[in-house]
Amino acid sequence: EAGVTQSPTHLIKTRGQQATLRCSPISGHTSVYWYQQALGLGLQFLLWYDEGEERNRGNFPPRFSGRQFPNYSSELNVNALELEDSALYLCASTSLWTSTDTQYFGPGTRLTVL
Amino acid sequence: SQQGEEDPQALSIQEGENATMNCSYKTSINNLQWYRQNSGRGLVHLILIRSNEREKHSGRLRVTLDTSKKSSSLLITASRAADTASYFCATVGSNYKLTFGKGTLLTVNP
Repeated sequence: EAGVTQSPTHLIKTRGQQATLRCSPISGHTSVYWYQQALGLGLQFLLWYDEGEERNRGNFPPRFSGRQFPNYSSELNVNALELEDSALYLCASTSLWTSTDTQYFGPGTRLTVL
Repeated sequence: SQQGEEDPQALSIQEGENATMNCSYKTSINNLQWYRQNSGRGLVHLILIRSNEREKHSGRLRVTLDTSKKSSSLLITASRAADTASYFCATVGSNYKLTFGKGTLLTVNP
């Protein structure tokens, strides 16, 4: 069974540009979570999508947005990039139908903003 | 804000020794999970302990949970160089959101 995949592996952008990160969950998982891991700030919850809808949002500005597609894959968009957006962005998936709350993580996309 | 706070922030031991990491949290939880992260990569789920459990084992891992003290510990026995990684505790509340601590960086010296 394939795990969670993320693309691209690395992304380099300049200030003010937009970044799009993609995530494919494990087959059968309907929930996708996005986390930001910035140096010195730890893992911060960004967004949660389930069945195509945004269910919860972390304490991030509106320029962080995303969506979930009918095949449950997801996209994270970051507009008007700032230097402090440089971080590892992790995607995780789970199925709310299972009895556990374990989230399975992808390898991440490292975003560098110059 | 971080729900879980790991202690210590960094731990360096010799191969074969045991490593103990602690985690404290602030609010009520459904369960607590421990994850491992090798340098700059994705997280790997290690073990989950539910709020009504006190201890759980998985291979060389032993997790305890004390809900009265809002704390958990992760013990790795007979450590190996390959155990070198960052270890995070994460709590799950009613909204299914994982809230992570800042992690413990474990270095196992061969």
